Parts: sequence; structure tokens; C-alpha cells
Amino acid sequence: RKEVEQDPGPFNVPEGATVAFNCTYSNSASQSFFWYRQDCRKEPKLLMSVYSSGNEDGRFTAQLNRASQYISLLIRDSKLSDSATYLCVVGGAQKLVFGQGTRLTINP
Amino acid sequence: GAVVSQHPSWVICKSGTSVKIECRSLDFQATTMFWYRQFPKQSLMLMATSNEGSKATYEQGVEKDKFLINHASLTLSTLTVTSAHPEDSSFYICSARIPSRNTQYFGPGTRLTVL
Repeated sequence: RKEVEQDPGPFNVPEGATVAFNCTYSNSASQSFFWYRQDCRKEPKLLMSVYSSGNEDGRFTAQLNRASQYISLLIRDSKLSDSATYLCVVGGAQKLVFGQGTRLTINP
Repeated sequence: GAVVSQHPSWVICKSGTSVKIECRSLDFQATTMFWYRQFPKQSLMLMATSNEGSKATYEQGVEKDKFLINHASLTLSTLTVTSAHPEDSSFYICSARIPSRNTQYFGPGTRLTVL
């Protein structure tokens, strides 16, 4: 079983739609959780950290359920510029473990 | 914000040559840097953790004699791919961890093509 699992997609949705990504992780001792965004042939960039209380940043909402070892990302009112691969990332004491990423394409 | 640079951004070399990639933290000191590799349509895989002033810690399956890591200062780590072969062609990305923050910032990556 992979340490961090995501639906690889691809997701193709129209502009303005709401998109939800899910992720599960296997290491219950994981301490930190993030969503990164990676554009084609570029490095990953931090989108947001994820907290147990849930957190929101504009159109983006992230949730963490430690009991279920489940992380989610919701994108509302999607824009063309949201097209990218979204990486679920789980951290231990020092290392980060990346999910395989979910590819999202927003269509005009 | 924190900035991490990498050099070169891309390199093409012949099989059997060695390639050095530099990773620099530009506005902060990074006691720990990480080297990742990403093959097409796959996720980032951690190769090694580079600690300033000490030996790097390699992940299982990564040959330490082939991927030489040096972290001689708080702002510079280098990865040398020795005797590169076509199967080493990949996107190599470094990251640096800011001690006060629980995340990593990534360099722009180096695309290596071995002919």
C-alpha cells in the first residue's frame, strides 16, 4: 500500500465548477499535512497547510480527519488558472511523502 | 518569501559523464536540504536528505556512490550524478526546510537528459 494515496484523475471540469480531491495516508504518526500544486514541468508550490480544524484560503478549503487518516481539498468557483496537478503531502518529523498527484483541467 | 534556486535548470550530457546540480537557499540558512527525483507522470520521490556538515541520509534503493551529495555550507547543497546513464534522465528537484516552519520550499528543478 502506498503511504499517501490519491485518485490520479484526470479531472476535467468546466470553469466555475466545484472540485473535490481526496487523499488517504497510512502512517498514523504523521504530523503535518499539505496540499501542493505542480504545474507542468515546474516544481511543486505550497498551496496550503491542512489542519484538523479545517482551514480556508479564498476559494480553497482543506480538511483533515486524523481518525480516518483522510485529507481533502475543495476548490470552489474554479478558474482556468487552477489547471494543474494537486499533490497531497504528508510529513513526519522531517521528511515529506508525496502522493502521486491528481491532474485537474479546467475547461472554458 | 523563501527562495530556493537550482542550477542548471536543464542539462544534456553523454552517457558516462558526471553532472553536478547546485541547490541554494537565497534568503535563509538551511541546515537540511532534500533531493527528489520525478519521472514523467509520477510523483516526487525522495532520494536523500542532506545535512550541513555531515553525511547525507539516502533513501532505500538510492545508490550513495552514484548520487554524491555535499552540503558544505548553510546555503548550498550539491548533487552529483556520477557516470550518468539514460535511465538517470529525470527531473531533479531540491528543497530546503526552514527550521521555524514545518514545510519545505522547492527549487525550480533541473531537467537532466542523458544521451
